[in-house]
Amino acid sequence: GAVVSQHPSRVICKSGTSVKIECRSLDFQATTMFWYRQFPKQSLMLMATSNEGSKATYEQGVEKDKFLINHASLTLSTLTVTSAHPEDSSFYICSARERGRAFVDETQYFGPGTRLLVL
Amino acid sequence: AQKITQTQPGMFVQEKEAVTLDCTYDTSDPSYGLFWYKQPSSGEMIFLIYQGSYDQQNATEGRYSLNFQKARKSANLVISASQLGDSAMYFCAMSRGRSNYQLIWGAGTKLIIKP
Repeated sequence: GAVVSQHPSRVICKSGTSVKIECRSLDFQATTMFWYRQFPKQSLMLMATSNEGSKATYEQGVEKDKFLINHASLTLSTLTVTSAHPEDSSFYICSARERGRAFVDETQYFGPGTRLLVL
Repeated sequence: AQKITQTQPGMFVQEKEAVTLDCTYDTSDPSYGLFWYKQPSSGEMIFLIYQGSYDQQNATEGRYSLNFQKARKSANLVISASQLGDSAMYFCAMSRGRSNYQLIWGAGTKLIIKP
């Protein structure tokens, strides 16, 4: 149980194009999904928290117009990197929190991540 | 302010030996959760173990156990009988509290198991 998929796993795109990354909870409903960015040999950096049916909450310093997040259903959240530039190249990873779990058990289940390379 | 500290950037351990990965935390919230995740070179984050602040017993999951010392604010991960497949980055994380499901992450420890 608690499987999260992420698609695509790798993407290479030209500078100026937009890239959409999908995050799906396969066997549970996720009221909250999180989007992280990770640079090589560093810890996870939270970009935004996404709640189903409402606007995402972005962390300080994250451009919401550049990183568009949509959480349209209890099993799907998308991150769109708009007008991507080489500095956006990174490892993006999503996680999901299962609906109905006790608040003290806030285990997040992660997708396999997406490696984005912008040329 | 809430904070997670992992003081070991890297560790080398002989196969089959037990490993202890250190994690200390700081929070003023009486209710919190502590997590350990494993990240192999492939990148995926694998949930290992969870400890709630009110749990009386230390959490265990197979070869993983969490040595929870609340007074010392430490939550060390113990891996018994290490295997080559345990080589990975290990992250300690803490939940932020009741109304916020976000996790605070440590810097990670790179564990390498030697044959």
